[in-house]
Amino acid sequence: RKEVEQDPGPFNVPEGATVAFNCTYSNSASQSFFWYRQDCRKEPKLLMSVYSSGNEDGRFTAQLNRASQYISLLIRDSKLSDSATYLCVVNVISGNTPLVFGKGTRLSVIA
Amino acid sequence: GAVVSQHPSRVICKSGTSVKIECRSLDFQATTMFWYRQFPKQSLMLMATSNEGSKATYEQGVEKDKFLINHASLTLSTLTVTSAHPEDSSFYICSATPGAGLDYGYTFGSGTRLTVV
Repeated sequence: RKEVEQDPGPFNVPEGATVAFNCTYSNSASQSFFWYRQDCRKEPKLLMSVYSSGNEDGRFTAQLNRASQYISLLIRDSKLSDSATYLCVVNVISGNTPLVFGKGTRLSVIA
Repeated sequence: GAVVSQHPSRVICKSGTSVKIECRSLDFQATTMFWYRQFPKQSLMLMATSNEGSKATYEQGVEKDKFLINHASLTLSTLTVTSAHPEDSSFYICSATPGAGLDYGYTFGSGTRLTVV
């Protein structure tokens, strides 16, 4: 079983749509969780950290369920500029341990 | 915010030659940097953890004699791909964090696209 698994995608949605991505992780000792965005042939960039209480940043909402080892990302009112690959990322211990990446879910927002 | 500078961004080399990739933390000290590799349509895979002043820790299946890592200062780590072969063609990317804790996240270099011909 892979450490971090995501919906494979691709997700093709019209502008203005709401889209949700799911992710599960296998290591119950994981302590920090992130969603990164990666544009084609570019480095990943932090979209948001994910907390147990859930957090929202504008049109983006992230949720974490530790009991189910499940992470989600909701994007509301999709924009063309949201088209990218979204990476679910987990870390066992924050700081000097490497991140573990999911394979990513590709989103294409269509006009 | 924390910035990690990586270069070159793109390199094409002949089989059998060596390529050095540099990764610098510009506004923070990074005692640890991570080197990843990403093949097309695949996730980032950790190659090694680079520790300042000590030997790197390599992931299983990564040849330490082929991928030489040097982390001589708190702001610079280098990855040298020695005797490169076409199958080494990939996107190499480094990462570091300015501190421990959830809110720092990890900053990535802009990546190096290596093509071995």
